[in-house]
Amino acid sequence: AQKITQTQPGMFVQEKEAVTLDCTYDTSDPSYGLFWYKQPSSGEMIFLIYQGSYDQQNATEGRYSLNFQKARKSANLVISASQLGDSAMYFCAMREGGQGGKLIFGQGTELSVKP
Amino acid sequence: DVKVTQSSRYLVKRTGEKVFLECVQDMDHENMFWYRQDPGLGLRLIYFSYDVKMKEKGDIPEGYSVSREKKERFSLILESASTNQTSMYLCASSLSGTISGNTIYFGEGSWLTVV
Repeated sequence: AQKITQTQPGMFVQEKEAVTLDCTYDTSDPSYGLFWYKQPSSGEMIFLIYQGSYDQQNATEGRYSLNFQKARKSANLVISASQLGDSAMYFCAMREGGQGGKLIFGQGTELSVKP
Repeated sequence: DVKVTQSSRYLVKRTGEKVFLECVQDMDHENMFWYRQDPGLGLRLIYFSYDVKMKEKGDIPEGYSVSREKKERFSLILESASTNQTSMYLCASSLSGTISGNTIYFGEGSWLTVV
């Protein structure tokens, strides 16, 4: 069963504007972590931001913030003041507790920043 | 500098060939993962390992096997390559135990084409 869902295959945003990339998840494990990764055309996976299930506050890292709504099981990424270099694929991922701690990814959202 | 190294960046193999994709990490991580990435499907987990000689199936193990004889090395094996295994393969590693944010590291990816 799909556990991470990204419903936006592609998004456009104007340079310097903010954009929200959607992510919903499903788990019965009370202990889990949510991640966002950026993948430029070169293929490398760049870690952006992390939110733990027990964290009280929404995570922020520079221009990235995670809008964590636990009851709705959503973990949307907000990028403020978009830059041309933000154009890339963005993946939401979840890691459950337990042995192995496997990381499950969503389908990805391709973000294009327009000048 | 921490590193996950995948042995080959680009490979072209013939249908029916046995293919080995090697991944080595230098961080003494317990967990290692193999994913394949396809457009519109995101990253899908093939196999993962949480200890030497231990392995568990991910979401799409059919047609693949793995080997973990040493802690630092996790090999993905395509016993008889088929054209539908043409894809980008990503290796990752992480610490076990408490879930935390930025302790998951990815290799640069291996682009496999089966002709």
